[in-house]
Amino acid sequence: DAKTTQPPSMDCAEGRAANLPCNHSTISGNEYVYWYRQIHSQGPQYIIHGLKNNETNEMASLIITEDRKSSTLILPHATLRDTAVYYCIVRVETGANSKLTFGKGITLSVRP
Amino acid sequence: GAVVSQHPSRVICKSGTSVKIECRSLDFQATTMFWYRQFPKQSLMLMATSNEGSKATYEQGVEKDKFLINHASLTLSTLTVTSAHPEDSSFYICSAGLAGADTQYFGPGTRLTVL
Repeated sequence: DAKTTQPPSMDCAEGRAANLPCNHSTISGNEYVYWYRQIHSQGPQYIIHGLKNNETNEMASLIITEDRKSSTLILPHATLRDTAVYYCIVRVETGANSKLTFGKGITLSVRP
Repeated sequence: GAVVSQHPSRVICKSGTSVKIECRSLDFQATTMFWYRQFPKQSLMLMATSNEGSKATYEQGVEKDKFLINHASLTLSTLTVTSAHPEDSSFYICSAGLAGADTQYFGPGTRLTVL
């Protein structure tokens, strides 16, 4: 699976949009971009995933560049409860039975 | 949504004892479950892939005789840390795959402290 690089940390003000970047310059054409987050001392939570097109769900939006070498996770209106470590993961297969490889992630701190 | 539970949430044991951690998929059947370990301020590291009815597949460097995995049913996988030592103290997290879905669902984790 391709590796990803994320800044170690960022912060944003409550109520503002949080834009979390991820670089995956060696991504292959059949690799998907997944985002998970982990609130302190809890298990990771799935957020969103995509292949080429931008995706949106009730939690976030995922913007993937046209060359697919980077992506941005957008939390449109960050709250204090969004403070967590966010992991950007790329992997070949979708499907529930393929393993996930976690990097260091980016720590998002939402300030009041 | 799909729910995965773990039991216990916390366990403290003496060095040399064995500890069993359960991972259950509460509202779906999971043919595959995964076990991760997370040390403080570090990321999750995959330990093994647990397949229902067959032997688990361990990641490189994980001792299969120390970390025993049993996946006897489609809703339950267990991880037994045998002869636990203080260096085994960690946060153990499982995940389960929902057939037909594109992702896995994670349990809340088990904090193991070995004295």
